[in-house]
Amino acid sequence: GQNIDQPTEMTATEGAIVQINCTYQTSGFNGLFWYQQHAGEAPTFLSYNVLDGLEEKGRFSSFLSRSKGYSYLLLKELQMKDSASYLCAVRDSNYQLIWGAGTKLIIKP
Amino acid sequence: IAGITQAPTSQILAAGRRMTLRCTQDMRHNAMYWYRQDLGLGLRLIHYSNTAGTTGKGEVPDGYSVSRANTDDFPLTLASAVPSQTSVYFCASSLAIGSDEQFFGPGTRLTVL
Repeated sequence: GQNIDQPTEMTATEGAIVQINCTYQTSGFNGLFWYQQHAGEAPTFLSYNVLDGLEEKGRFSSFLSRSKGYSYLLLKELQMKDSASYLCAVRDSNYQLIWGAGTKLIIKP
Repeated sequence: IAGITQAPTSQILAAGRRMTLRCTQDMRHNAMYWYRQDLGLGLRLIHYSNTAGTTGKGEVPDGYSVSRANTDDFPLTLASAVPSQTSVYFCASSLAIGSDEQFFGPGTRLTVL
């Protein structure tokens, strides 16, 4: 079966760095996505990785290792507004997105 | 309209009733999707459409139907609602089925009693 695993909840301090991990087992691989979802709102796109390595976009970076079925999202200089759920999704061989349950990130002052 | 809209925002529905959730986008995207999001579970794809006139089944299609008469609209119909269909429903769109980014509507919170 297809499976995306990520921690249920994480806590970090304002100004710090946090890494959210995602491991996956899917039928085929056509890219990995990270989305941010604030409570009661729609998911919004953060990053896309299809090749191994690190993609940096401002305070956010995403890493992919296809051989290990592993990705992480790195958030630097945390701000209170970063409190949200972070969703990992893999596009499978049918070009459908398979989603993890999300990691709720709590930022404390 | 700017982006993707959904209606209604929320709805309480008696079991057995028919319900259509509306979704409209003005970005001229070819691909559209319907997901449901339940607590503790990831988003699950219900149905999708690669382009106007075509639809396909996702992971959890039973009890739902869709149509894609034109590029902009992608309604989702529950023919006879059941309590297990209580969920938050998100419509999304992308330029094409293999595009990098999907854009999500604000969601419809549906409660079936």
